[in-house]
Amino acid sequence: ETGVTQTPRHLVMGMTNKKSLKCEQHLGHNAMYWYKQSAKKPLELMFVYSLEERVENNSVPSRFSPECPNSSHLFLHLHTLQPEDSALYLCASSQAPPDSGNTIYFGEGSWLTVV
Amino acid sequence: QKEVEQNSGPLSVPEGAIASLNCTYSDRGSQSFFWYRQYSGKSPELIMFIYSNGDKEDGRFTAQLNKASQYVSLLIRDSQPSDSATYLCAVKAGGGNKLTFGTGTQLKVEL
Repeated sequence: ETGVTQTPRHLVMGMTNKKSLKCEQHLGHNAMYWYKQSAKKPLELMFVYSLEERVENNSVPSRFSPECPNSSHLFLHLHTLQPEDSALYLCASSQAPPDSGNTIYFGEGSWLTVV
Repeated sequence: QKEVEQNSGPLSVPEGAIASLNCTYSDRGSQSFFWYRQYSGKSPELIMFIYSNGDKEDGRFTAQLNKASQYVSLLIRDSQPSDSATYLCAVKAGGGNKLTFGTGTQLKVEL
């Protein structure tokens, strides 16, 4: 139990589907993150929400759409994805900013396969 | 040039030995440094952080930081098979929320 819960853990979707990944944190943090982890590549930061405001968007294609309705919940809406988007999507949270005293805690991740 | 660079490994060490994992970074403005451990199929978990030059010890783990040379390392003493995992180095500049990760080094501790 990491305090950051992601659902679903595994998702297979077609390129024309619309799906969403959900993340919930129970740690009282005020910053939440989406990271993408692909094989042989470093973790890539996608989005950061701090105090429910999006503060970072790392040139992510518009087929990925984040939503942060409150400080405990974060969604990643997916539509018309490509096979190369298949990866592990990790949600994380911290007190903002993630300084040496403000650790980032990761969820278990959602394995996404686009067919 | 990669922002945070790690040897992908695998690094194989015998049980009981010292494992030494290295990381170099390109941004001289980096101020906070983190080591995460990631078991296969699991999420990364924080092992240590360091932000001052020198050594920081926590149990069997020692983080070493040299800002002049732009490298940070993690030593694991008395390595155990349960230490077998991928170790991710992450670096943060002074402000903002962005952690930049390396690709990770796979460590194998052999019986």
